[in-house]
Amino acid sequence: LAKTTQPISMDSYEGQEVNITCSHNNIATNDYITWYQQFPSQGPRFIIQGYKTKVTNEVASLFIPADRKSSTLSLPRVSLSDTAVYYCLVGDPTPNSGTYKYIFGTGTRLKVLA
Amino acid sequence: DADVTQTPRNRITKTGKRIMLECSQTKGHDRMYWYRQDPGLGLQLIYYSFDVKDINKGEISDGYSVSRQAQAKFSLSLESAIPNQTALYFCATSDLGAGDTQYFGPGTRLTVL
Repeated sequence: LAKTTQPISMDSYEGQEVNITCSHNNIATNDYITWYQQFPSQGPRFIIQGYKTKVTNEVASLFIPADRKSSTLSLPRVSLSDTAVYYCLVGDPTPNSGTYKYIFGTGTRLKVLA
Repeated sequence: DADVTQTPRNRITKTGKRIMLECSQTKGHDRMYWYRQDPGLGLQLIYYSFDVKDINKGEISDGYSVSRQAQAKFSLSLESAIPNQTALYFCATSDLGAGDTQYFGPGTRLTVL
């Protein structure tokens, strides 16, 4: 299983860009990187997934360097409603992955201040 | 995700009682999961099922059992509840053909007295 390390918490102000970095030194060739967001008392929600370079969707960007040993979730112009816990997961989503490989860990608690 | 439902949403029970938590999904996914979350902590995997005939233990399966009654239904049982099983329980589903991203239910808050 690929172990991930992320900061325990971060504070930011409204309107700023927030970057959360996740380290995954033993990522495997078939592993993808997936980020989830969780609000209090709710289940996690998928944000973005990528394999290499850069992926962007309507809510975030994911930057993955060539060695893939880390990744950075970028949230542009955060608002108070982005206050949540963000989880970085690494695992193999391909059809041949016969066992579960994802570990949620404790995530990064982001607090957005007014 | 509204396509993943959990019942009950809240439950208070006593030590030693048998409890069943149910999960249903209308997403047509083959894979289903049960997680537990303690206050301030991340999610821990209890059991997972990749299809109707497949059941696998997760990180913390002791004290729990599951049943996959159909593709759409996955239930979690606590055979004899104990206070340290007080937690928030989430069911999730995923589709291997869509990046295996997981869709979570609203959660069941279980209190064992």
